[in-house]
Formats: sequence, structure tokens, C-alpha cells
Amino acid sequence: SQQGEEDPQALSIQEGENATMNCSYKTSINNLQWYRQNSGRGLVHLILIRSNEREKHSGRLRVTLDTSKKSSSLLITASRAADTASYFCATDGFYGNNRLAFGKGNQVVVIP
Amino acid sequence: DAGVTQSPTHLIKTRGQQVTLRCSPKSGHDTVSWYQQALGQGPQFIFQYYEEEERQRGNFPDRFSGHQFPNYSSELNVNALLLGDSALYLCASSPGVMNTEAFFGQGTRLTVV
Repeated sequence: SQQGEEDPQALSIQEGENATMNCSYKTSINNLQWYRQNSGRGLVHLILIRSNEREKHSGRLRVTLDTSKKSSSLLITASRAADTASYFCATDGFYGNNRLAFGKGNQVVVIP
Repeated sequence: DAGVTQSPTHLIKTRGQQVTLRCSPKSGHDTVSWYQQALGQGPQFIFQYYEEEERQRGNFPDRFSGHQFPNYSSELNVNALLLGDSALYLCASSPGVMNTEAFFGQGTRLTVV
């Protein structure tokens, strides 16, 4: 079974708008990571947030983590057509070890 | 600085055959993990190698095996291929077995016919 579950699973927005996607998980974690995947290719590491952090920024990305609700959100500001991709969250610790458990992913389409 | 590199990028095999996929980790990384990603799904953990030993294993049959070499590169072997083994196989490397910040390669697209 999947640890993370992103919500919503499909999002279509206009270029310049913000895109927000969420991820929930079931057990305690050490870290939560977000990845981007273009057209079924490799995963690009976007950002890692540790369990003792609440918010983290990287360029146009903003990630929040609420360990009490076991959820995280990824915000992409001022979206671009190049942001069109699938976005996955991955958590560790679900199996009591440090391997990653992925959700099913969010498909984001940015319309030029 | 080269990232994680995988070869080949695409592969077509016949049911029942055997396949070997290769991965070179990011410079400075000594831990390699392999994942299988079916179409429309998130990656599923296969196993992890550290110090040339399999440290963790996901819910995959023994047909899936691996190896890690002294230079930290790794191979994934799949025997007796099934149609259901068709997927994107991803390799990820980390700077230490307890460090879960993982960087992925571009993957190998395996098609079993």
C-alpha cells in the first residue's frame, strides 16, 4: 500500500497562476520529499522537509508540513508551461526504516 | 558533477528472458536503491544496497536480484520475465544508508513482449 496520497490527482491551470497540491501519510516520518516527473522519465528531486520543520522554500516552491495532521502541501507560484509534470511526495519511516514510500502522484498541466 | 546515470534507457525483452539494468550513483553517494514504476503509479521500492550488501527489500519475488560493486555502482537483474514486469525501473542514490534524501536517475523503460 502507498504511504503518501496526493490530492488532487489532476490539476489544470493557466500560466502565471499558483498550483497547490497536497499529500497525506499515515505513520511517523523522518523526512518528506517532493519530486517532479516529466513524461514518465526520471524523478527530479525538488525539496526535502524534515519532520521538525514546518515550512521550506526553494525558488518558486513552498512546502509545508503538518505532522499533527500527517499532511504536506506543495505550492508552485507563478506557474510556467515547463512546470507541466507529475508531482510525487515520498515519505520515509513508514516501514520502520529509511526506504521511501510514494503516493500515486499529481498530474499538473500548465496552459500557456 | 554527474548525477545518477542508468543504462540502457530503453529495453525490449521477450517473456521468459533475463535482463540486467545498470546504475551509477551520484558522486559521493554510497547507497543505491531500486524502484519499479508501473504506468500511472508511483514508484515501488524493490531493494537497497549499501556496502555491497542488500540491506532492505520490498515485496518483490526472488526473480528480482541485485548487486553492488566496490565503486558503489549497482545492477538489477530480473529472471524469467513476465509481461507484468514491463515498467520504468528507477535507481536512486543517497549519501549514506541512514540518509533518505534520494536522487534518481532517468530510469530504464523495460518492455516485455
